[in-house]
Order: sequence, then C-alpha cells, then structure tokens
Amino acid sequence: QKEVEQDPGPLSVPEGAIVSLNCTYSNSAFQYFMWYRQYSRKGPELLMYTYSSGNKEDGRFTAQVDKSSKYISLFIRDSQPSDSATYLCAMSSTITQGGSEKLVFGKGTKLTVNP
Amino acid sequence: KAGVTQTPRYLIKTRGQQVTLSCSPISGHRSVSWYQQTPGQGLQFLFEYFSETQRNKGNFPGRFSGRQFSNSRSEMNVSTLELGDSALYLCASRVNPGQEGPLHFGNGTRLTVT
Repeated sequence: QKEVEQDPGPLSVPEGAIVSLNCTYSNSAFQYFMWYRQYSRKGPELLMYTYSSGNKEDGRFTAQVDKSSKYISLFIRDSQPSDSATYLCAMSSTITQGGSEKLVFGKGTKLTVNP
Repeated sequence: KAGVTQTPRYLIKTRGQQVTLSCSPISGHRSVSWYQQTPGQGLQFLFEYFSETQRNKGNFPGRFSGRQFSNSRSEMNVSTLELGDSALYLCASRVNPGQEGPLHFGNGTRLTVT
C-alpha cells in the first residue's frame, strides 16, 4: 500500500461548481498536511497548510483533515477557469528540532474548470 | 521577496553524460530540498541540505548527489545519465529543516536525456 493515495482524475467541472479533492494515507505519524497547486510548466505553489486534525479556510479554499480516518480533503467553492491545474496533497510526520522530515506527496489530481 | 530560483529551466543531455542543476533559495531560507517529478512516480524526495550538510536522503542511487554552499545556494549533480532520469527536478526551500513550516518550490529544471 502506498503511503499516500490520490485519485489522478482528470476531473472536469463547470465554472462555479464546488470541487472536492481527496487523499488517503497510511502512516499514522503524519501530522502536517499541505495542498499544493501546480500549473503546467511551473513548480508546486502552496495553497493550504494545516497541522493535525480540523478545518482551515482561506477564501474559496477549505482544507479538512480527519486523522481518525486518515483522510484529507480540499474544497474549492465557486470554481474558476483559473483554478485549472494539478492539485497535490503532501504530508509529513512530526518535525523534531534540528531534524529533517521529507514531504510525501500524492501523485496529483488534474482539474479542469470549464467556462 | 524573490522566490526560489532554479537554473537552467531546460536541459537536454545524452546518456552517459553528467549534469549539474542550480538552486537559489528564498532569502533567509537556509534549508534546501530537491525533488524529482515524473508522470509515473509523481514527486519523490531526493535530499535536503542545511548548513552545508546533507540532513536527509531519499531512495535514489549514488549517481544523484548534491551540495550546499555557505550562502545557502545548492547544486545537484547527476552522473552517468540514464533515459529514466528524464524528469522535472524541483528545488524547495524553507527557513530551517526542523522548523514547522512549509516548503516553497521553484519552477524546476526540465531534464531530457536522449
């Protein structure tokens, strides 16, 4: 079983739709959860960063973490054509002082928002 | 504040050659990580450097190496290139490796091995 599973899509929605993107993971040590957005020919851009369980909202974006189910989600409200990109989930375990912990990424979900 | 800068943006090399990629982190960031991105495997961790020392290493062969300079800039080197090394190589920085905080990525170097 892979550490992080993410449905690659592609996902195609009409403008204005609510988009739900999800990842599951197997490592219960993961404490930090991130969502990155990657446009074609660009590097990943950080969208949301959360620690442990709960919800976090930033504008049209909401990130949810359910550690009991080992499941994280990203919701995009009122989706726009400019949201068309690949969305990557990423996570890492507790970072100790002076230590180093790599990020483990999902493979990404390709989203297209049609005008 | 300028973001993470990677050079060159594109490279074409032939099998057996070696290549060096460069990364300048965000000002004030002292930790630099390298990732390989391919369609089949996604983003995979190569290594992380802090204070000119490798702090963590992924599961890649010894042909992949890196270093960090006193100004936090980093280079990675791939020797004896193979076709499977064709990928987008991403550099990311953060303030310290042990500090809570996300990675900020550059736009990558697209390496094509023929």
